[in-house]
Amino acid sequence: ETGVTQSPTHLIKTRGQQVTLRCSSQSGHNTVSWYQQALGQGPQFIFQYYREEENGRGNFPPRFSGLQFPNYSSELNVNALELDDSALYLCASSLDTGQPQHFGDGTRLSIL
Amino acid sequence: QKEVEQNSGPLSVPEGAIASLNCTYSDRVSQSFFWYRQYSGKSPELIMSIYSNGDKEDGRFTAQLNKASQYVSLLIRDSQPSDSATYLCAVKLGNSGNTPLVFGKGTRLSVIA
Repeated sequence: ETGVTQSPTHLIKTRGQQVTLRCSSQSGHNTVSWYQQALGQGPQFIFQYYREEENGRGNFPPRFSGLQFPNYSSELNVNALELDDSALYLCASSLDTGQPQHFGDGTRLSIL
Repeated sequence: QKEVEQNSGPLSVPEGAIASLNCTYSDRVSQSFFWYRQYSGKSPELIMSIYSNGDKEDGRFTAQLNKASQYVSLLIRDSQPSDSATYLCAVKLGNSGNTPLVFGKGTRLSVIA
């Protein structure tokens, strides 16, 4: 139990729709990172938020966007969903940007 | 060259044996290295972090780091069937605070009873 919670657990959407995924970080953690994990692959870095500011971004298009709130919880928004967006979306929080990251249980997103 | 490379396995070891998992990385200035365990259908769980050359032991797990060779490994002593999982190597590339954590594809370990 890492104290990082994600919602929803599962989600089914159709192509072109928009989705918002949510993450509550572990108490005291000011840094949240989001990852996409396709089947059989390691997690791929989407972006990181540190004290409400984006603090690094991976190779994902602008339709992937995010927010971090004053309580350090975070949202991942994906617009214009594509079939290839089907994956496990993982949120990880850490005490600070260089500290070990602890993952939530993930949101499994399926695009039909 | 991929940034973090692992043998995808599967690696099969008998119960009670030592499992040895290996990982190489491309960025010579990387400073932080992590091993995560991921059971099928679950999220990654942090099991070890290592920052300095040499060995770091925690229970049955030992992480080994050799920055000159750009190599990090995880040894699991007295392997148990419950250790069967995918082990992910993760490297914080570079040496500044906003560099991302890059994962390998993972090595699938199977411990045979």
